[in-house]
Formats: sequence, structure tokens, C-alpha cells
Amino acid sequence: DAGVIQSPRHEVTEMGQEVTLRCKPISGHDYLFWYRQTMMRGLELLIYFNNNVPIDDSGMPEDRFSAKMPNASFSTLKIQPSEPRDSAVYFCASRQDRGRNTIYFGEGSWLTVV
Amino acid sequence: AQSVTQLGSHVSVSEGALVLLRCNYSSSVPPYLFWYVQYPNQGLQLLLKYTSAATLVKGINGFEAEFKKSETSFHLTKPSAHMRDAAEYFCAVSDVIGGTSYGKLTFGQGTILTVHP
Repeated sequence: DAGVIQSPRHEVTEMGQEVTLRCKPISGHDYLFWYRQTMMRGLELLIYFNNNVPIDDSGMPEDRFSAKMPNASFSTLKIQPSEPRDSAVYFCASRQDRGRNTIYFGEGSWLTVV
Repeated sequence: AQSVTQLGSHVSVSEGALVLLRCNYSSSVPPYLFWYVQYPNQGLQLLLKYTSAATLVKGINGFEAEFKKSETSFHLTKPSAHMRDAAEYFCAVSDVIGGTSYGKLTFGQGTILTVHP
């Protein structure tokens, strides 16, 4: 099992540029989550999907953020335009829809906006 | 809405000493509760979880936690700390859907554990 795979692992971009973060969940998992981690705010849920459908996007900071899940094996989180305050670690996570199963996290995408 | 409070952003212990990381939760319904560990520059790894079965939960690496409903607590303990336990630890609470499933996790602010030789 390859685990949750995220790319890129590290990205440095200039303010105003578009950033796309990618996630491949564990095969067979029905839920996919995007979290953001910062020193100031800790771990925050941005959005989560069930069977490719967004269920709760109340954590998405503003219209500059968007997330899609076109199929069961791929999701993107896009920031356009990016700002320095978006600098954070973005985690993707997934789990099976089997009651009490564990949420597995990817290694994270470390984003720096300068 | 659920919330989690981790008491103490930093905990320092000597190798071989007891580890106690405190977590209190707030939830309008019986929750599921989790402890995750994060090593530097890595993702989060599940240590253990409580899902309304036994109140004393044993996890990986010798950690355990006890769910105490009357105290709304889920403290993490380990009898004897190792150097390799140095990491950041997160307590999390979930909403419960349909009696057995759950959706998102709400995390505490984290506790950094330092282990001295």
C-alpha cells in the first residue's frame, strides 16, 4: 500500500502566482480531506469529499482557494492568486467508508509564497 | 460543534519517565477521539483511537489513553519515555454520523514532547 501521495512536496512561488497541490488517496478510500497546518492556527480542515462529492467546504479561507475531485483517485487544491499568508503545510488525508476506520495522512506539501 | 483543548504546548520529560499529555474535548454527542503523532517534516501518524468500545485504549509504541466521559478527557500516557518519542502530539475529536461513521477531525493545538537523556 503506497499510502496517500501528495505532490509537490515542496514549492516556493511568488505572490500572485497560481499554485496547484495534488493528492492521490489510498485506493478504495471513500473520504478525502484537505488540511492546512500553520504555526498560528494549527491544523485546520479546509474541505472534505465523500465519493468525490464535496461535503463540507466551510474551512476554505476565501474564493482564492478551490478544490476538486474529478475521480476517486485524484484531487487538487488550487490557490489563485497566492499570497504570502498562504504559506503553510497542506495535508491530504483519506479513509474508507467503513464506520470507524482510520484517517491516513500524506506527507504534506510545504508551500512558501514570497 | 466539537472542540479540543490540549493543556500544555510543551512537555519535557527525562528518558524513562512517565509521559502524560493532556486532552479535553467538547462535544454535544458521544465522540470518537484520536491521538496522532507528527515527527519533524513528516505527516501525521495515528497512535490510537477511541470509538465507543473499551475506555482504555492501547496504541502503538507503548502509548495508551483513557476515555473519561465525566471529565471529558482523553489523556495520553506512556510509562517510560524513549528518545524516539520526541515529536509533536495532536489530540482530535470527530463528529459521528449515523451512529458508527464519522467525517472530519477537529484537532487540538498540539503538544511538543521533548525527551532528555
